[in-house]
Order: sequence, then structure tokens, then C-alpha cells
Amino acid sequence: SQKIEQNSEALNIQEGKTATLTCNYTNYSPAYLQWYRQDPGRGPVFLLLIRENEKEKRKERLKVTFDTTLKQSLFHITASQPADSATYLCALILNYGQNFVFGPGTRLSVLP
Amino acid sequence: DAGVIQSPRHEVTEMGQEVTLRCKPISGHNSLFWYRQTMMRGLELLIYFNNNVPIDDSGMPEDRFSAKMPNASFSTLKIQPSEPRDSAVYFCASSRTSGRSYNEQFFGPGTRLTVL
Repeated sequence: SQKIEQNSEALNIQEGKTATLTCNYTNYSPAYLQWYRQDPGRGPVFLLLIRENEKEKRKERLKVTFDTTLKQSLFHITASQPADSATYLCALILNYGQNFVFGPGTRLSVLP
Repeated sequence: DAGVIQSPRHEVTEMGQEVTLRCKPISGHNSLFWYRQTMMRGLELLIYFNNNVPIDDSGMPEDRFSAKMPNASFSTLKIQPSEPRDSAVYFCASSRTSGRSYNEQFFGPGTRLTVL
């Protein structure tokens, strides 16, 4: 069956450390993979997109990797700050179309 | 730009009543998406439109759910009759797409629906 999982429901790290979030999927062949941030009571906000033929993408303190063999994406936040505390969602985009499948999310807490 | 606008922000209704959720996408965007988010099932895509035409409604849970997009600046999601299990936050999102090129989705603030 098709499944998309994120490594844990919640992750606590110390300020200044690197947070690493994992997104694994089975029986999907995404053309793209995205990461979103969602704060309580708000809609998701787009962070990064990575294509199936890209290995890595960076944006400021954020880095995303995409391994289509392992069917896994890693999302890193370096020099984490309390303001990075939020829920992070990965999303698969299928068939170069607009069919999105979201993961359940990981709630990140960065402790001062 | 005001972003994606949704109304109402909160809706409380009784089982069996009709509920209509509204969305105004960002001007110039030609794709519109309706999502539902619950603790149990996460964020689920219900339906999406491209150039006002429904492309994929396979995520619509039942015939009680229907969505329309009469023009490029307005869409509705209707539930009739509503049931307690429909209680969730409903998000509308829009994006600008052409062919195989992809652009990010912009989400609205959501409508929190409670069906008693």
C-alpha cells in the first residue's frame, strides 16, 4: 500500500543545534518533493521544493536532500532557533501534476 | 496582495445542516486546491481545479461533498448534509501552473468546522 511517514511525531532539540527531520515514502514515484512549515492555527507555508533529479537543495539555514533509491528526504535546519519551532510537513507531488500527498508532520521544538 | 482568503474562519453547525465554505484565490493563480486537516488523518487533498475546471476529485470523501469554481476568483466547498465526522479544518490553496512547470502553493488561513 502507499504510505508517507515522517520520522517522529515530535522532536526536541537545543538551540544552536542542527535539526534533522525525515520523510519516507513507499509505493509512490514523486516528481517533486516539498517541505512546508505550519504554525498553530495557520495554514502551511512553503519552504523548499526538490525535484526527482536533484540530490540537494539549500536555502539560508535550510537544506533538503532527496534520495529516490531510498525513497527518503531529509530536511535540515542548521543553527536552530526557538523561532523555528513549528510543525514541518513533507509533501509528494505525483505525476508532474497537482496531486499532492502530505505526510503527517513532525512537531519541532527548539529549546532555548 | 491579500493572499488566499477564506470565509468563514469558524463555523459551528448542527448535524444535518448544509455548510458552505468559501475561498478567494490569489489573483493570477490558475490552480485551486481544497484540503481537510484532522489530527487523525493529517492534511488530505479533497479536490483541485485548474483554470476553473475540476481535475481530480478523488479525495472527496462522499457525495455529501461538492465543490464549484464558477470563475477564477471564487470557489465553494459544500457539505450537505453535514455530520459530526466532518469536523476539521478546511484549507484552500492556490498556485500558478502551466504545463509541467510547478510553483508553490499558497494556503489560506483555513475554516475550522465543528458539526455538533
